[in-house]
Amino acid sequence: AQSVTQLDSHVSVSEGTPVLLRCNYSSSYSPSLFWYVQHPNKGLQLLLKYTSAATLVKGINGFEAEFKKSETSFHLTKPSAHMSDAAEYFCVVSVAPYGGATNKLIFGTGTLLAVQP
Amino acid sequence: DGGITQSPKYLFRKEGQNVTLSCEQNLNHDAMYWYRQDPGQGLRLIYYSQIVNDFQKGDIAEGYSVSREKKESFPLTVTSAQKNPTAFYLCASSPPGRALDAFFGQGTRLTVV
Repeated sequence: AQSVTQLDSHVSVSEGTPVLLRCNYSSSYSPSLFWYVQHPNKGLQLLLKYTSAATLVKGINGFEAEFKKSETSFHLTKPSAHMSDAAEYFCVVSVAPYGGATNKLIFGTGTLLAVQP
Repeated sequence: DGGITQSPKYLFRKEGQNVTLSCEQNLNHDAMYWYRQDPGQGLRLIYYSQIVNDFQKGDIAEGYSVSREKKESFPLTVTSAQKNPTAFYLCASSPPGRALDAFFGQGTRLTVV
């Protein structure tokens, strides 16, 4: 079965310091992996996605993630946190339970990022 | 501009009443989805539709119903059978068979009192 685990429910960093949000996945197929960000009472915004091309994926707002098959991980990083990065972040895996005819998104439980001044 | 519109943003209903959440898209996407979001649980799929006049149950369909009479619209009805309806509901759309290219609406927060 496909699943995704976000290892931290809350992460707090100081402004200007690095951000690391951890995600591990489980998939029987070659997965597509995503990170979404959600600000309070808002919809989801796609940060970046991995779809079997380059393993280091660059996204918007200075975020990037590295797909590591040996570790089944897709951690999200940013060199320097900004106050506006405070939000909830979701790691997502896409699966195709019907042999590719239908894709389905499996969401992690989310990591709430707090950025301290 | 193309996008997905969910309305209303906030909705209050009395316990035991059915309520319908609206989702409209002008992206010409064939597929549409409804998710429910609860604190600490991520998003869970309620229903999805790959084409007009067809839809399938997701992981937590009990107590919900949908219709897909038009390509642009995928309304979700939260019925009185749904035991814990208070939640944040997100609608999404994508090209057919490509949930990985989904666009999300801004969500509707439903509170049942």
